Amino acid sequence: DVKVTQSSRYLVKRTGEKVFLECVQDMDHENMFWYRQDPGLGLRLIYFSYDVKMKEKGDIPEGYSVSREKKERFSLILESASTNQTSMYLCASSWVAYNEQFFGPGTRLTVL
Amino acid sequence: AQTVTQSQPEMSVQEAETVTLSCTYDTSENNYYLFWYKQPPSRQMILVIRQEAYKQQNATENRFSVNFQKAAKSFSLKISDSQLGDTAMYFCAFSMIKAAGNKLTFGGGTRVLVKP
Repeated sequence: DVKVTQSSRYLVKRTGEKVFLECVQDMDHENMFWYRQDPGLGLRLIYFSYDVKMKEKGDIPEGYSVSREKKERFSLILESASTNQTSMYLCASSWVAYNEQFFGPGTRLTVL
Repeated sequence: AQTVTQSQPEMSVQEAETVTLSCTYDTSENNYYLFWYKQPPSRQMILVIRQEAYKQQNATENRFSVNFQKAAKSFSLKISDSQLGDTAMYFCAFSMIKAAGNKLTFGGGTRVLVKP
């Protein structure tokens, strides 16, 4: 079974803090993704990566950065957390040749 | 840019009955994939069903089936013989066929409640 894990299920941070969300997949997938999920808006793509050290902006990259130093690991970084970044964050991964994405359990981030 | 619209924020259905969720999308592409994902209260998003645009035959997966109308850009999901475990958020998603990236564009979701 494909497994995508995320470092925390719940996280509470203060405004201005630097926040790291980590995602690890065990299926040697080339592609990895970070989404943000908000009620009524569905999932919106923040960043994705199709190879180690490669990254591309998604639809809402402002206020976020990412890092992919190893194939299995993809980190989302909030350089200076703000209250409007309170949300559910979902990580996903997929093979290049097959469009199905496999999702992690999500991290519910609250920024106070 | 592609857009995906789910016009029903919430639906409820009695156990053992059938419910249909609607999804429309907008794209200028000819070849693409469409998906329905399920997110139960546990939050783990799982794939329900997938459709390749070049296939005219509608995809079926056990009690789940789709009605894919390419010209109308419509992709509805039918859940037959609804079970309590079908209670979840359902998301329709679109993906272009690309060598790298394979990004998904999601609709806003439909919350389905199956009542005993």
